[in-house]
Amino acid sequence: GDSVTQMEGPVTLSEEAFLTINCTYTATGYPSLFWYVQYPGEGLQLLLKATKADDKGSNKGFEATYRKETTSFHLEKGSVQVSDSAVYFCALTPGLYNFNKFYFGSGTKLNVKP
Amino acid sequence: EAQVTQNPRYLITVTGKKLTVTCSQNMNHEYMSWYRQDPGLGLRQIYYSMNVEVTDKGDVPEGYKVSRKEKRNFPLILESPSPNQTSLYFCASQGGVTKQFFGPGTRLTVL
Repeated sequence: GDSVTQMEGPVTLSEEAFLTINCTYTATGYPSLFWYVQYPGEGLQLLLKATKADDKGSNKGFEATYRKETTSFHLEKGSVQVSDSAVYFCALTPGLYNFNKFYFGSGTKLNVKP
Repeated sequence: EAQVTQNPRYLITVTGKKLTVTCSQNMNHEYMSWYRQDPGLGLRQIYYSMNVEVTDKGDVPEGYKVSRKEKRNFPLILESPSPNQTSLYFCASQGGVTKQFFGPGTRLTVL
C-alpha cells in the first residue's frame, strides 16, 4: 500500500544553518505530496505541496521537489531560524482527484538553537 | 475566520465509558477526516467523510464510530474506550487537495 518514510529526529541545528529533512514515498499511480508543520500545542498546517513529478513546492523559505525517479520529496531550507522549531510531517494522497485518504510520515522534530 | 473546532481539548476517562469528541467547521467543506497521532507513528487516518451521510474507513477504524448528519459537524464516537485509544486526536476539514485545515487537537487518556 501507499506509505511515507521520513528521517528520524530530532534534528538540532544552529540558527542560519542549512536544513534537509529526507522523505521518500511508496505509491501506485500519481500521488500528490505535501509537507505539513506542527508547532507546539497546535494542529498541523500545510507548508508546501507538489502535485506532479518535477514540481517544486515552496513557502516561507522552505522548498521541496517532487522526484519521481527517486520517489523522494526532501524538505530544504537555506537558513533556519529559531522560529522554525517544530515537527515536520511529509504526507501524500494517492492522486489529485483522490484526496480522501492521506498518508503521513512519522514526523521529524526540528530544534533550532540561537 | 476559517476554523475547525474540537471539543473537549483534554479528556481523561475510564475504560468502557462511552465518549464523543465533537468537530465542527465553518468553511462549508464537503470532506472531513479524523486522525490519531501517536509518537513514532505520525498521523493515521481513522475515518473520513466525503459528504453528509457518506463516511468510510481509514487505516485504523477499529473501536471508533463516526456520523455525518450535517455538513459542518463530524463527531468521533468511542463506544467502549480502551487504554490503547489513549492518543492525540485531530479533526480536519478539506476544501480541495491543498486546502486541508486541522483542528487544535483533543488529548484523550483512557485509564
